[in-house]
Amino acid sequence: EMQLVESGGASVQPGGSLRLSCVASEFAFSNYFFSWVRQAPGKGLEWVANIKRGGDETGYVDSVKGRFTISRDNADNSLFLQMNSLRAEDTAVYYCARWRGAQSELELWGQGTLVTVST
Amino acid sequence: DMQLTQSPSSLSASVGDRVTITCRASQSVSIYLNWYQQKPGKAPKLLIYAASKLQSGVPSRFSGSGSGTDFTLTISSLQPEDFATYFCQESYSRTITFGQGTRLDIK
Repeated sequence: EMQLVESGGASVQPGGSLRLSCVASEFAFSNYFFSWVRQAPGKGLEWVANIKRGGDETGYVDSVKGRFTISRDNADNSLFLQMNSLRAEDTAVYYCARWRGAQSELELWGQGTLVTVST
Repeated sequence: DMQLTQSPSSLSASVGDRVTITCRASQSVSIYLNWYQQKPGKAPKLLIYAASKLQSGVPSRFSGSGSGTDFTLTISSLQPEDFATYFCQESYSRTITFGQGTRLDIK
């Protein structure tokens, strides 16, 4: 069964850093674009970042530009989100998700990993 | 910046009801509009893509329509498992936008 499994979520103080991972299985990881999408407690979905197949093209929501970095390791079927200078408003469940194709839809989602930024 | 506005924000309905949720974009997204269902504590699930195409495995009581700026998600006959939150999402712009969600509760 195709799946995405996130890990790395934790409780961290404001200003701290965290690296999220997402491991893919049962499909050709390198063929797909991926995104990180987050959901603050009790709130809606917010797209965070995109990465294309080769990892050379990325995009970010304005609120995380300069603080978060999306990357991938196609040899290890893994997606990452390096989060620096964390703020309270970054508290959320972070999902990795796979696009069916360019400019299409998010057809496969992980179960999510919780990041809490608090003193 | 692109904005997607869903209406209503919440809705109470009964099993067997026909329900329609709308999503309005602040500028045209052509047919690059998708719908997701999310249940508490779970990841979103793709229902409809490209405005009107049914994702594999999704029951045919779900349907989508629209183009440009105005879209609808219709559930023809509500089932108990359909009570959830629904989100629209556009993939037309470089920065992806979701609607704020519509919570569908049991009346």
